[in-house]
Formats: sequence, structure tokens, C-alpha cells
Amino acid sequence: QQPVQSPQAVILREGEDAVINCSSSKALYSVHWYRQKHGEAPVFLMILLKGGEQKGHDKISASFNEKKQQSSLYLTASQLSYSGTYFCGTEDGGTSYGKLTFGQGTILTVHP
Amino acid sequence: DAMVIQNPRYQVTQFGKPVTLSCSQTLNHNVMYWYQQKSSQAPKLLFHYYDKDFNNEADTPDNFQSRRPNTSFCFLDIRSPGLGDAAMYLCATSRGDHMGEQYFGPGTRLTVT
Repeated sequence: QQPVQSPQAVILREGEDAVINCSSSKALYSVHWYRQKHGEAPVFLMILLKGGEQKGHDKISASFNEKKQQSSLYLTASQLSYSGTYFCGTEDGGTSYGKLTFGQGTILTVHP
Repeated sequence: DAMVIQNPRYQVTQFGKPVTLSCSQTLNHNVMYWYQQKSSQAPKLLFHYYDKDFNNEADTPDNFQSRRPNTSFCFLDIRSPGLGDAAMYLCATSRGDHMGEQYFGPGTRLTVT
């Protein structure tokens, strides 16, 4: 079942902050975050594992609430380059070789 | 640089004419995935291979087949493309462990006329 992302779209000015949420009805093993620019492939941002382990870029932070099966991606001091569509991908059960189900995406637009 | 390569980048085919999309990787990853992504939608997993073990998603149409002859290459065959199969097809790879991110290729944009 597809995770649900919110909001669907965000418009920011440079320097502003944003939070993107991802929620699943299934028990999750991990949550991945990717950014996709128009016409390009998704690019990895962050992995958060059940139990607290995480891996990602220095300037990106995220949280994973295992009890609520929710993850949030925090974008601070946004830059023009942050514009794109953000997808969360969820892995449930921990048995399927990192197989992900992606949320519907959140479109982030950063203006000067 | 280690990477995921997809060919061709753009493919035009006729309704009902078989087409094959290819993906290769230099990352030596165990897992290869094929996704279909339609405009303004999320990538939708069609298949994945862990080494030679093939895993088909339950809702992947029979019209779609895949082959992985070796670690480096994976192919997506669409036997009889319909207009609804026009999409971006993304290949991705990962190590297959739970801390392994997916590396995506640039995609093949398929047009069906």
C-alpha cells in the first residue's frame, strides 16, 4: 500500500524552512527519501531504519517515528537547488532486499 | 565513475510492436529494479532481481517481462505495447541490504504511437 505524503506541494522563498511528511498504514522497516528534478532520475537523500540508524547527507535531516509509522524530512535554509519533487519510499517487513513503495510525491518550489 | 546506464534514452515504438529497454551497471550491486513512472506520479515497481532470483510485482501486467543474463545487465521487454504503456522507465540498483540506497539510471522515455 502506497505511503501518503503531505503536503502535496510547497512554495518557499530562499532561506525558508519546510517539512515534508510521509505516513504508512503498514509496519515499516525503513524509510528512504529521494529528490527528483524534472526530467531526471531520483537522487538519494536519506535512509532511516527501524531502531534509529540512519544515513544521509549532512545538510538534510529527517526523523522516523516507528510507533506511528511516520517519517518527516526537514529542509532548512532552503536553496534554489532544493526545488524538485520529493518522494519517500517505504520498506516493510525487512525481507524484500530493500524493495520500496514510493509515496505520491511532494513538489517543492523555491523562489529567489 | 560507477554508474547505472540505460539505453536508449528515448524510444518510440508502434502500438503492438515489441520493444526492449536495457540497463547496465558498474556498481556490482546484487539487486536490480525496474520502475514505471508516468507523468506527475511516483515510480511504480514492476520487477526486481536479487542476483538471479526474479521477483514480479503482483500487479505487473503479463505484457512486461524481464531478463537478467548477468550481474551487470538487465532488460525490460514489453511484448505488445499499448498507449497506456507510454511512460518513463527507470532502472535502479542497490546492494540489497537495508542501508543500501537505490541508485537510479537516467531513464528511458517510451512513446507509443
